[in-house]
Amino acid sequence: NAGVTQTPKFQVLKTGQSMTLQCAQDMNHEYMSWYRQDPGMGLRLIHYSVGAGITDQGEVPNGYNVSRSTTEDFPLRLLSAAPSQTSVYFCASSPRQGSSGANVLTFGAGSRLTVL
Amino acid sequence: LAKTTQPISMDSYEGQEVNITCSHNNIATNDYITWYQQFPSQGPRFIIQGYKTKVTNEVASLFIPADRKSSTLSLPRVSLSDTAVYYCLVGGDYKLSFGAGTTVTVRA
Repeated sequence: NAGVTQTPKFQVLKTGQSMTLQCAQDMNHEYMSWYRQDPGMGLRLIHYSVGAGITDQGEVPNGYNVSRSTTEDFPLRLLSAAPSQTSVYFCASSPRQGSSGANVLTFGAGSRLTVL
Repeated sequence: LAKTTQPISMDSYEGQEVNITCSHNNIATNDYITWYQQFPSQGPRFIIQGYKTKVTNEVASLFIPADRKSSTLSLPRVSLSDTAVYYCLVGGDYKLSFGAGTTVTVRA
C-alpha cells in the first residue's frame, strides 16, 4: 500500500516552461487536493476534486490547471511557469469530504519546484 | 470553513508536556477538529481527531470543551523528535486549508 505518491520530487524550470506534477493514490479515495507551501507559511489550497470528472478551485488557483479522469490520479499542470510558483507542492487525499466533517487527509511526500 | 487561531511558536524541554490551544469560534455543528504534524521536508501527517470532550491515542490527547470554540492538543513527555509544526484544522467543507500552524521546538 503506497498511499499518496508524488513525482517528481524535485524540478527546476525556466520561466515560461510548462510541466505536470503527478499525484497518484491507491486507497480508492474520493477526495484529492493540491496544496502549495511557501517558507514560513501554512499550506494553501490550489485545486481539489471530489471524484473523477469533478474539480474545483481552492484559495490560489491562478496559473494552475487540474483534471481528474480516474479515481487514482490527480495531476497538477503549470502551463507557463513563473518565479512566483517556486514552492513545495503537496498532494493529499481522503476517503471523502463534505458535511460529515471527518476530514483525515493523507499527504504525499511533496514536490519541490524552482522556477528561474 | 471555520477560521482557526494558534500560537505561532512554543518552546519546551524534553520530558515536559506541551499543550497547544487552537481557537475556532465559528465552528459549525458538523465540524470535526483535526490536528496534523509536519516535519521539515515532509508532508503533514494526521495526529488526532475529535468532535467533543476528550480523545486520546498513543501519540496525543485532544481536549474539547463543551462549547467547542477551542481545542487543546496535549503532547505528553515530549522528546527532541517531537520538534515540528502542528496544525489545527476545523471543518467538513471541501475547501480545507491550513493556517501557519504552531512551531514546537523541543530542547535537550
